[in-house]
Order: sequence, then structure tokens, then C-alpha cells
Amino acid sequence: EDKVVQSPLSLVVHEGDTVTLNCSYEVTNFRSLLWYKQEKKAPTFLFMLTSSGIEKKSGRLSSILDKKELSSILNITATQTGDSAIYLCAVGIGDDMRFGAGTRLTVKP
Amino acid sequence: DTGVSQNPRHKITKRGQNVTFRCDPISEHNRLYWYRQTLGQGPEFLTYFQNEAQLEKSRLLSDRFSAERPKGSFSTLEIQRTEQGDSAMYLCASSSQTAMNTGELFFGEGSRLTVL
Repeated sequence: EDKVVQSPLSLVVHEGDTVTLNCSYEVTNFRSLLWYKQEKKAPTFLFMLTSSGIEKKSGRLSSILDKKELSSILNITATQTGDSAIYLCAVGIGDDMRFGAGTRLTVKP
Repeated sequence: DTGVSQNPRHKITKRGQNVTFRCDPISEHNRLYWYRQTLGQGPEFLTYFQNEAQLEKSRLLSDRFSAERPKGSFSTLEIQRTEQGDSAMYLCASSSQTAMNTGELFFGEGSRLTVL
């Protein structure tokens, strides 16, 4: 059975801290790994990763995939209260996508 | 076109009733997905369509659930004889071949079902 596991499930930090969110997977027919941010409503796309060792970066967010370890991390530096959200990891399997349970990040002022 | 549209946004029903949700994807997107999300969990795959063809259904999708996309545009998800365990947010997402190459699904705002 395909599995996507995220850790930690919940994280509380203060503004300015750096956080690292983890995603591990066991799937057949791996195509890609994706990160989404979900605030109150629909998930919004952050990154797609297909190759090991290549960092994707957008502002204070960055992510990297390790295909040997079947995992990915999402880093957020200098966190802000606006970063508070659920961060979802999803693995593209063929034409489909499977999501992890998410990491709920709370950034306190 | 402003994105993926779902309605109703919120539905409260009594156990045993049937409910139907509608999703209008981004017009040029040929792929449409239904997910279910409960509190504290990530979206759980239910089914997906490429044009009008339903290509995959989750084993978790009981016989009470049926989805259609008759003309390859909008889709409906019907739940018959609702149970309290069906209470969840039902998310629709769409994608084009090009967007799938970048991995991006475009999600609607969701339809929240509460079964009393």
C-alpha cells in the first residue's frame, strides 16, 4: 500500500525561527514529490521535486528530495506569523497524487 | 475563468439522505480529481477523471459514492444514504497535461458535509 508520512504532525515556533518539515514515502510508480500549503481553505502549490539533490527555492522556503532515503524536507527560514498553515506533502504516482496527513505549523509573534 | 468552483460550500443533512456536490474545473483542464479531507488529515484520494472517463477509484470509495463527469467538463459526486462518518470536506481539483508536468493541482474551496 502506498504511504506518505509527514513529521512532525504539529509544530509551534516563534517568529524568526527556522523550521524543517519532513516527508517520507513508500510508493510504487513514483513520479514526483510535491509540497502544498493549506491555510483555511484549498491547498496551494509550493514545489514539485523529481530529482534527488536539487534544491528548489522560493523566498524563505526551500525543499530538497532524497530518492535514496525516499524522503524530502521543506525548510522555512525566518518564519513569520503568515507562515502558519498546514504543510502537505504529496507524492505523484502515475497520474494520481497521494497526500500525507500534513504538518500543522503555528508561528507565534 | 477564476479557478475551480465547488458548490454547495456547506451542506448539512440528516443521516440516510442523499447529497450531491458539483465541481466546475478550470475550463481547459482535462483532469479532475475528488478528494476527501477530515480534520487533522491530509486530502484522501477518492477518484479521478480524464475527460469524461473515470480512470481510477479508491478502494475506500464505498458503493454509496458515485462520481460522474458526463461531458468532460463539470463533475458531480453523489453520496447515497449518508452516514455520520461521511462528514468531511470534499475537495475537487483539476489539472491539465501541462500543469501535471509541473505537478500542480488546482483545488477548489471545497464542499463541507455535515451529517447529523
